[in-house]
Amino acid sequence: DGGITQSPKYLFRKEGQNVTLSCEQNLNHDAMYWYRQDPGQGLRLIYYSQIVNDFQKGDIAEGYSVSREKKESFPLTVTSAQKNPTAFYLCASSIGLALSYEQYFGPGTRLTVT
Amino acid sequence: AQTVTQSQPEMSVQEAETVTLSCTYDTSESDYYLFWYKQPPSRQMILVIRQEAYKQQNATENRFSVNFQKAAKSFSLKISDSQLGDAAMYFCALMEYGNKLVFGAGTILRVKS
Repeated sequence: DGGITQSPKYLFRKEGQNVTLSCEQNLNHDAMYWYRQDPGQGLRLIYYSQIVNDFQKGDIAEGYSVSREKKESFPLTVTSAQKNPTAFYLCASSIGLALSYEQYFGPGTRLTVT
Repeated sequence: AQTVTQSQPEMSVQEAETVTLSCTYDTSESDYYLFWYKQPPSRQMILVIRQEAYKQQNATENRFSVNFQKAAKSFSLKISDSQLGDAAMYFCALMEYGNKLVFGAGTILRVKS
């Protein structure tokens, strides 16, 4: 089955540690995205990538980093510089960046930093 | 900057009845898409319906339909014959050039049996 995989479902880290969230897709999509969801707020865009080895900052990129070495993979690193890292993180992909392309979402990772 | 506003944090509906969720947005673009996503307790985002700004006809998907008022920048979702499985958080979202989505804060829909 084609889809997006995010692992793990729950992740716990101590403050001051970097942590990497995994996102893999087998939909052969060129574009991938990372969103953050906080209680009472909608999803906010962290980073997106149109193509391998290229990515752009979204609205809340500070304290995060990404890489896109393979078409199917778009890992997100939450660095110690991120002041409020505890949140639900969603990865998405689409065929490309054209306006009509639907974004498909993964199941998400709940990150808790204490 | 583009914004999406959902003014109803929570709504309730009796099973089999109809409910309307409100959404207003702001954009300076002439071409864009609007979406309604459903997020059940599993937290998986599910696309419910979408509307292209250039299409005057309101989109419909089975029990789900929208009322798109472009001049008023309003995009409401109507759910007919509500079912228990419709209970979820619903997000309105705006997509402009570059395929970036801007989401509203969401509306929790509760369905009473």
